[in-house]
Amino acid sequence: GDSVTQMEGPVTLSEEAFLTINCTYTATGYPSLFWYVQYPGEGLQLLLKATKADDKGSNKGFEATYRKETTSFHLEKGSVQVSDSAVYFCALSEPTGANSKLTFGKGITLSVRP
Amino acid sequence: DTEVTQTPKHLVMGMTNKKSLKCEQHMGHRAMYWYKQKAKKPPELMFVYSYEKLSINESVPSRFSPECPNSSLLNLHLHALQPEDSALYLCASSRDEGYGYTFGSGTRLTVV
Repeated sequence: GDSVTQMEGPVTLSEEAFLTINCTYTATGYPSLFWYVQYPGEGLQLLLKATKADDKGSNKGFEATYRKETTSFHLEKGSVQVSDSAVYFCALSEPTGANSKLTFGKGITLSVRP
Repeated sequence: DTEVTQTPKHLVMGMTNKKSLKCEQHMGHRAMYWYKQKAKKPPELMFVYSYEKLSINESVPSRFSPECPNSSLLNLHLHALQPEDSALYLCASSRDEGYGYTFGSGTRLTVV
């Protein structure tokens, strides 16, 4: 079945540091890939997405590129801020229609120090 | 309107109570979902409704009963819950798998 593997956490960085969060996936077809962010006490927000190989998703300074050859979708940001402290989930969905399921990674907690 | 609205935000209920969680979206999405999230864990899928019909039930205990009265509303009826059912319950909707899901902010449920 489909699966998403995220690097182990938590991650603690100083403000303005470079961020990379690794995500790899296993899927039978050609999935869409997503990064979701969850701030403390809140629901999940879609951060960015990519629907086919070599697509780059970007939002709020975050980027991730759909790499089919390495089955990866690593999240990067050049300069993190304290406000980026949150839990980040990598996810995929197979193209099976409007009720397709999201498969999540375990999530990783990012803490950014001032 | 680009939001999924969930009510209530917090709910405390006893094990003999009956309560309902509500979810509403006006984006024209035809698929709606209930997820359960325990602390420090990813969301777990419970139910999927597609075009107002239940299409996926992930072997959820019968004390959780979903209902989709129309294309904009999704309810989750709760009865005789256990303390281990305490969690954040998230509703989501989607237009198509390539566009991602829009999640609500959740209902934090505590069963006492």
